[in-house]
Amino acid sequence: KAGVTQTPRYLIKTRGQQVTLSCSPISGHRSVSWYQQTPGQGLQFLFEYFSETQRNKGNFPGRFSGRQFSNSRSEMNVSTLELGDSALYLCASSLVRGSGSYEQYFGPGTRLTVT
Amino acid sequence: GQQLNQSPQSMFIQEGEDVSMNCTSSSIFNTWLWYKQDPGEGPVLLIALYKAGELTSNGRLTAQFGITRKDSFLNISASIPSDVGIYFCAGHGSSNTGKLIFGQGTTLQVKP
Repeated sequence: KAGVTQTPRYLIKTRGQQVTLSCSPISGHRSVSWYQQTPGQGLQFLFEYFSETQRNKGNFPGRFSGRQFSNSRSEMNVSTLELGDSALYLCASSLVRGSGSYEQYFGPGTRLTVT
Repeated sequence: GQQLNQSPQSMFIQEGEDVSMNCTSSSIFNTWLWYKQDPGEGPVLLIALYKAGELTSNGRLTAQFGITRKDSFLNISASIPSDVGIYFCAGHGSSNTGKLIFGQGTTLQVKP
């Protein structure tokens, strides 16, 4: 079974621009979560989508948004980019088994550099 | 943002030695997950723990879910050079959220 895929892997943008990142979850996983990873703040939760609806949201400004499509693929968008948005953006898909056990699997990430 | 307390922050050990790291939280979690991250890649799930007191192994890795549900530890036995990387603990609260709370990570270096 294919893992979580993210595109693009690397991106360089200029301050003020906007960017869209894409994520395809593991087949059968309906929940997609996004995280921002920086050396200073570590891994921080951005938001989660489940069945095309945002189910949870982290403490990030409104410039960060996302959506999920009917095939569970997800995109996140960052508008009016700032230098501090430079980070590794990770997508993860989740599975809750019938037993209640929970697993979350990460993609390789998109490295965003804002200049 | 919210983070778990993970220690140690870094370790430099000799090949063949055993390694131990742990995470503590002020909140109760239903699931503890341990990940390993290599440079430029996403975290890879190593072990998942679901019950207080549970002890689970995956090859040379052993992890335990603390009985208070507020802590977990990971042991690596007989370390090898490919164990090098950053290890993260993560706590998961309930089934209706995909949000994980992460520790700051333990950077492991192994000297051949």
